[in-house]
Amino acid sequence: AQSVTQLGSHVSVSEGALVLLRCNYSSSVPPYLFWYVQYPNQGLQLLLKYTSAATLVKGINGFEAEFKKSETSFHLTKPSAHMSDAAEYFCAVSFNQGGKLIFGQGTELSVKP
Amino acid sequence: EPEVTQTPSHQVTQMGQEVILRCVPISNHLYFYWYRQILGQKVEFLVSFYNNEISEKSEIFDDQFSVERPDGSNFTLKIRSTKLEDSAMYFCASSEALSGQRAFFGQGTRLTVV
Repeated sequence: AQSVTQLGSHVSVSEGALVLLRCNYSSSVPPYLFWYVQYPNQGLQLLLKYTSAATLVKGINGFEAEFKKSETSFHLTKPSAHMSDAAEYFCAVSFNQGGKLIFGQGTELSVKP
Repeated sequence: EPEVTQTPSHQVTQMGQEVILRCVPISNHLYFYWYRQILGQKVEFLVSFYNNEISEKSEIFDDQFSVERPDGSNFTLKIRSTKLEDSAMYFCASSEALSGQRAFFGQGTRLTVV
């Protein structure tokens, strides 16, 4: 069965520090991978997506993610955290068969001044 | 950027009552979805809809739930007889294509069943 696991329900970093949010997936077919961000009281906004082109994907707000098939991972990084990055981040996967998104449990990112 | 619009933003209803959550997907999109997020939990897929019929549904989407695209622009989720455990944030989404394409999400409707 396909699934997504995000390691760490809560990550706290200092402003200016590296952000690393981990995502691993389980799939028997090639996946499409996404990172969404949810700010308080708002909907889900796409940060970036992987659809079998370049393995390093650049998204909005300085975020990027690297697809590593051998590790079944799609970790999200940002070199320097900003206070405005504080939000909930969701990794999600979809497949050719259905189009539905399967979400990880989410990681809440806190940024300390 | 195009938007998916959901109304109302917050709905409070009594247990056993019917509720209809409304969504206006992006106009040229063909695939429509409902997801829900119970407080503190992950976002869960409920149902996908294409060509005026359900294409896939989860085990959550039982006989109490139904979806409809009544007029070519709105996409609705009806819960026939609400239960306390239906309290959640419900997100509507739409996309141009089935796979690999970005799904645009609405702001969500927070449903509270009392």
